Amino acid sequence: GENVEQHPSTLSVQEGDSAVIKCTYSDSASNYFPWYKQELGKRPQLIIDIRSNVGEKKDQRIAVTLNKTAKHFSLHITETQPEDSAVYFCAAGDSNYQLIWGAGTKLIIKP
Amino acid sequence: KAGVTQTPRYLIKTRGQQVTLSCSPISGHRSVSWYQQTPGQGLQFLFEYFSETQRNKGNFPGRFSGRQFSNSRSEMNVSTLELGDSALYLCASSLVSRSTDTQYFGPGTRLTVL
Repeated sequence: GENVEQHPSTLSVQEGDSAVIKCTYSDSASNYFPWYKQELGKRPQLIIDIRSNVGEKKDQRIAVTLNKTAKHFSLHITETQPEDSAVYFCAAGDSNYQLIWGAGTKLIIKP
Repeated sequence: KAGVTQTPRYLIKTRGQQVTLSCSPISGHRSVSWYQQTPGQGLQFLFEYFSETQRNKGNFPGRFSGRQFSNSRSEMNVSTLELGDSALYLCASSLVSRSTDTQYFGPGTRLTVL
């Protein structure tokens, strides 16, 4: 079946450095790619999303890039801060109501 | 606008019992999805409802069922509980579809099966 691979499963970076999380999807019909952040003990929240007609989207320190040919998309966080510590989930959705989730990446920001 | 609410927040049940969880979506949202989350297991999709119809179903046994009412509120039911059903159950609402719209998650119901 369709799947989304997310790497790495754990990422540890020094505060102030950049973090990159990558996802690869298999369904060529996917056209919606959201990223959710889940802090410890809290509910997941959307932080950024991108649709297939766009190659890159930025929101302050967060950016997402999409390569439809290679079927992968990435989350970039610059100037990481302690509050960026969380689990990040990527997902790929299509117009047939399918949304496949990645397994999650635990991001640790070291002081 | 009020967020997604779930009741109850915590539940303790014993094996073999059944349980019903409730979810009230954001006003105007017609899609409600349910997820099971266990430590280190990510978000496992249970089902999605839209206009009182199940639109999609994940890979869970028939003991897991759900429904949606005309006001978009949703319930999920788990019958014949097993120890492995202990988890955080999250519901999420979106305007039309979880696969094209932002999902807003509720705080979850933590179910413990003894």
